[in-house]
Amino acid sequence: TQLLEQSPQFLSIQEGENLTVYCNSSSVFSSLQWYRQEPGEGPVLLVTVVTGGEVKKLKRLTFQFGDARKDSSLHITAAQPGDTGLYLCAGARGNDMRFGAGTRLTVKP
Amino acid sequence: GAVVSQHPSWVICKSGTSVKIECRSLDFQATTMFWYRQFPKQSLMLMATSNEGSKATYEQGVEKDKFLINHASLTLSTLTVTSAHPEDSSFYICSATDRRTYNSPLHFGNGTRLTVT
Repeated sequence: TQLLEQSPQFLSIQEGENLTVYCNSSSVFSSLQWYRQEPGEGPVLLVTVVTGGEVKKLKRLTFQFGDARKDSSLHITAAQPGDTGLYLCAGARGNDMRFGAGTRLTVKP
Repeated sequence: GAVVSQHPSWVICKSGTSVKIECRSLDFQATTMFWYRQFPKQSLMLMATSNEGSKATYEQGVEKDKFLINHASLTLSTLTVTSAHPEDSSFYICSATDRRTYNSPLHFGNGTRLTVT
């Protein structure tokens, strides 16, 4: 079983729609990171959240870390085809870091 | 930002041969490097964690004699797939972090696509 449960696993939407991806766990993390990966490339870091309840914005992307530091969400406003990719959350506990199964997002023009 | 260089980006080899993949941190010191395997349309599967100067820690089910990991310096880790077979064909990705920096993020290489014929 995954330490981090990511949902949904697949998401296909039209350009301009909003979406939210969730990353949940029963474990507490010292930090949580979100990455985006395009085919044939390595994941690229989008954001790191550290403090419970923290909200970070990156243009049309809003990241939130749960108060208890066990879960996180990624909200995309007015999605664009360029947002298409695999979104991965990763939680850090001590020297360990684990990834969720990923959310594969497709934004159709 | 921090850069991790992975080489080669793709390699084709014959069954039974060995392949070495390099992962270098270019502008920071990587106390810890991770090696992942990724199947098509799936997430990253952690294979092993290597700390500079120490033996790698392998995840359950990963054969340490088949996937040899060396992390001899703070800027270089290598993964050698020994006696490769077609089922070893996959996308291999490394990541690196500096554990001395609190909540240091992972920086990923661009991956190596291995095809074993």
